[in-house]
Amino acid sequence: QKEVEQDPGPLSVPEGAIVSLNCTYSNSAFQYFMWYRQYSRKGPELLMYTYSSGNKEDGRFTAQVDKSSKYISLFIRDSQPSDSATYLCATKGAISGGYNKLIFGAGTRLAVHP
Amino acid sequence: DSGVTQTPKHLITATGQRVTLRCSPRSGDLSVYWYQQSLDQGLQFLIQYYNGEERAKGNILERFSAQQFPDLHSELNLSSLELGDSALYFCASSYGLAGGSNEQFFGPGTRLTVL
Repeated sequence: QKEVEQDPGPLSVPEGAIVSLNCTYSNSAFQYFMWYRQYSRKGPELLMYTYSSGNKEDGRFTAQVDKSSKYISLFIRDSQPSDSATYLCATKGAISGGYNKLIFGAGTRLAVHP
Repeated sequence: DSGVTQTPKHLITATGQRVTLRCSPRSGDLSVYWYQQSLDQGLQFLIQYYNGEERAKGNILERFSAQQFPDLHSELNLSSLELGDSALYFCASSYGLAGGSNEQFFGPGTRLTVL
């Protein structure tokens, strides 16, 4: 079993739709959760960062973490064609001895069509 | 633009060869990380350096090695290359050694093709 599971999609939605992207993880020691956006042939770009459980909102993006079910979500409201990219969830555990390894999901490819 | 630079952008080489990938972190960042992204394995952590010292290792092959220089740039050396080493190699940097909000910023990557 992978430490972080993510449906690779692809996911195709019309412009203006609400998009829901999800990941599950296996290790309850994970405390920090991130969403990265990666455009084709580019490096991942940090979108959202959350600690422990709860919600975090930034513009059209909302990240949710439910540690009881080991489930993380990213919602995109009023989706735009420019949101078309691969979205990667990532996590890392408690920090000790300088260990700062990010563990990524497989990435979900999203296409928003006009 | 994340502020992390990587060279070269593309690299095409043959099996058995050795290549060096270079990374310059964001100004002020002390940690450098290397990741490999392939179609079958996704984005995988290879190794972390902090202020010149190796601090964490992931699933990095023995044929691969890295170092961080006094000016904080880093190099990833890949030797005895195999077809399966073809992938995107990303460098990321962060300010600190560790810590919860120690965000990592990724460079544009080097695309390695082994023929």
